[in-house]
Amino acid sequence: EVQLVQSGAEVKKPGESLQISCQGSGFSFTNYWIGWVRQMPGKGLEWMGIIYAGDSTTKYNPSFQGQVTISVDRSVSTAYLQWSSLKASDTAMFYCAIARHGNYYWDFWGQGTLVTVSS
Amino acid sequence: QSALTQPASVSGSPGQSITISCTGTSSDVGGYNYVSWFQQHPGKAPKLMIYDVRNRPSGISNRFSGSKSGNTASLTISGLQAEDEADYYCSSYTPITPTYVFGTGTKVTVL
Repeated sequence: EVQLVQSGAEVKKPGESLQISCQGSGFSFTNYWIGWVRQMPGKGLEWMGIIYAGDSTTKYNPSFQGQVTISVDRSVSTAYLQWSSLKASDTAMFYCAIARHGNYYWDFWGQGTLVTVSS
Repeated sequence: QSALTQPASVSGSPGQSITISCTGTSSDVGGYNYVSWFQQHPGKAPKLMIYDVRNRPSGISNRFSGSKSGNTASLTISGLQAEDEADYYCSSYTPITPTYVFGTGTKVTVL
């Protein structure tokens, strides 16, 4: 059974760093792209960026380039989304999703990680 | 790359059919048959309903169908049911950064 399990909710202060994770199981991790999606409170979905687990090729949405870092650790089948200095405007739900290499659709999604940034 | 344009809301009575449009450009929706549709219930993760314009993943009801004409894709829900009340998002591949783009989202209300 394919599963994507995301790390738990986080409450942080502005300026703090953070890394959230997305661990996959039940599929060949290195044959998949992993994407990160932001959903701000009451708003729509936004693609932040995608990473190919096979070779770590990463493509960022220009709106998020330089604001976050996406990475993978193939040894533990886990993708990461990292901030070096959080802002209040980073408060949102973050989802990971997967697409098999060669496909152009995201067929499995994690349960989401809520990040709250408040002083 | 701007978000794809969807109507903010669509409503229908149980049993009726509704259609949600998703308008992009020749660089995304119009240029490739890689349009997907997602359903999102409140507090839940998005769920893939349609991929590659018109294909349904295993387990998705055949009441959901997709199509495309030019730069506009459409999702039709036939035999509307109370459980279909949710937000719906289209998404398209584009070779231009950021590679994928979502629609603005449509709230479906079952009257």
